[in-house]
Amino acid sequence: QITLKESGPTLVKPTQTLTLTCTFSGFSLSTSGVGVGWIRQPPGKALEWLALIYWNDDKRYSPSLKSRLTITKDTSKNQVVLTMTNMDPVDTATYYCALHSTVTTVFFDYWGQGTLVTVSS
Amino acid sequence: EIVLTQSPGTLSLSPGERATLSCRASQSVSSSYLAWYQQKPGQAPRLLIYGASSRATGIPDRFSGSGSGTDFTLTISRLEPEDFAVYYCQQYGSSPVFTFGPGTKVDIK
Repeated sequence: QITLKESGPTLVKPTQTLTLTCTFSGFSLSTSGVGVGWIRQPPGKALEWLALIYWNDDKRYSPSLKSRLTITKDTSKNQVVLTMTNMDPVDTATYYCALHSTVTTVFFDYWGQGTLVTVSS
Repeated sequence: EIVLTQSPGTLSLSPGERATLSCRASQSVSSSYLAWYQQKPGQAPRLLIYGASSRATGIPDRFSGSGSGTDFTLTISRLEPEDFAVYYCQQYGSSPVFTFGPGTKVDIK
């Protein structure tokens, strides 16, 4: 059974750095073709893809947020970490992590439940 | 950068009716790399269709996808009460790797 779960602070102040952790089970991030991505959704708005890390440590970022994002993985702990610097109230959103595989659908087959992050002083 | 546009923004229909949702891309998208998701309030999105027309695991056959190039369609043949939700199209490409459309809300008339 594949599961993913996001964790991190629910409230951050403007200018702070956000660190979110995705802890997963049921698959390995050392398997060829597997990746874990981060997607966010401001309240009442659309989904926005943020970042993706592959089994081979290849990393991809949203061009509009690239300067603020860092994605890393710890294969032994089954975790992926996303950091976003210089947080602003417009970054208030539910943040999801999701499983991606280039050998299955190529899309996000499994998602975490999401974690709501509010940016406010 | 590929931009996805979805129409209509909201579709008001009754259970049992047919729903037709459109996704248009600013540049040609390989059919292999176009997907549809369903999202209900308070839930994560669920993958419905990938490769423009293949149903994901466990998706009922009342959901179907079609299209190519820049125009794609999601059809729900007969709306069930649980189908009232927001639907997003998504493309997988080079840069950015993923793009989502703005969504179409299907609500009860």
